Amino acid sequence: SSELTQDPAVSVALGQTVRITCQGDNLRNYYASWYQQKAGQAPVVVIYGKNKRPSGIPDRFSGSSSGNTASLTITGAQAEDEADYYCNSRDSSGNHRVFGGGTKVTVL
Amino acid sequence: QVQLVESGGGVVQPGRSLRLSCAASGFTFSSYGMHWVRQAPGKGLEWVAVISYAGSNTYYADSVKGRFTISRDNSKNTLYLQMNSLRAEDTAVYYCAIDENYYGSLDVWGQGTTVTVSS
Repeated sequence: SSELTQDPAVSVALGQTVRITCQGDNLRNYYASWYQQKAGQAPVVVIYGKNKRPSGIPDRFSGSSSGNTASLTITGAQAEDEADYYCNSRDSSGNHRVFGGGTKVTVL
Repeated sequence: QVQLVESGGGVVQPGRSLRLSCAASGFTFSSYGMHWVRQAPGKGLEWVAVISYAGSNTYYADSVKGRFTISRDNSKNTLYLQMNSLRAEDTAVYYCAIDENYYGSLDVWGQGTTVTVSS
């Protein structure tokens, strides 16, 4: 299967830690990348490769992967982290891309 | 700075065509593959198509294959998406994004252009 599965929503208390997961068979062979999308804005990549953060992304964002599951962890969540988060990876052919359904993160 | 600016969106009737453009600046456009990704109202992201840096390789989502064509003009630093036989379900915000080929990520995104397919 080339699908990526994410939980639809998760909530976290301000300053606490939240982990968002993404499951898919192709994650055994390809890196996942993670995108943050705030309301009315374009997506922004927050994690790619083996836990790499683009310049300007706070170090409270981290990524990991095991087997068919990739995870995005926000350690010490801030109010500004409230957003939709999407995982993405290559499909089984390696040529196409596929997105997970997205996880809405609410910071309480 | 790296910038991607989409244009060409609008309201179009079902069955008609539309061409989107993505103007790139601030990086060596001809060295990077490029993607189109769309987002229907209130829905998640859907990958649409990718083109290699030289334009020799293109790949499409099953939902648009045979109707959409991705292309590029490296002399103009511009990416295109030709959309034919449009359907109501093609209504979405369309984003272009830079491909990071080694890790497979989409590094920089434009702000998007809105396509509405309606009679």
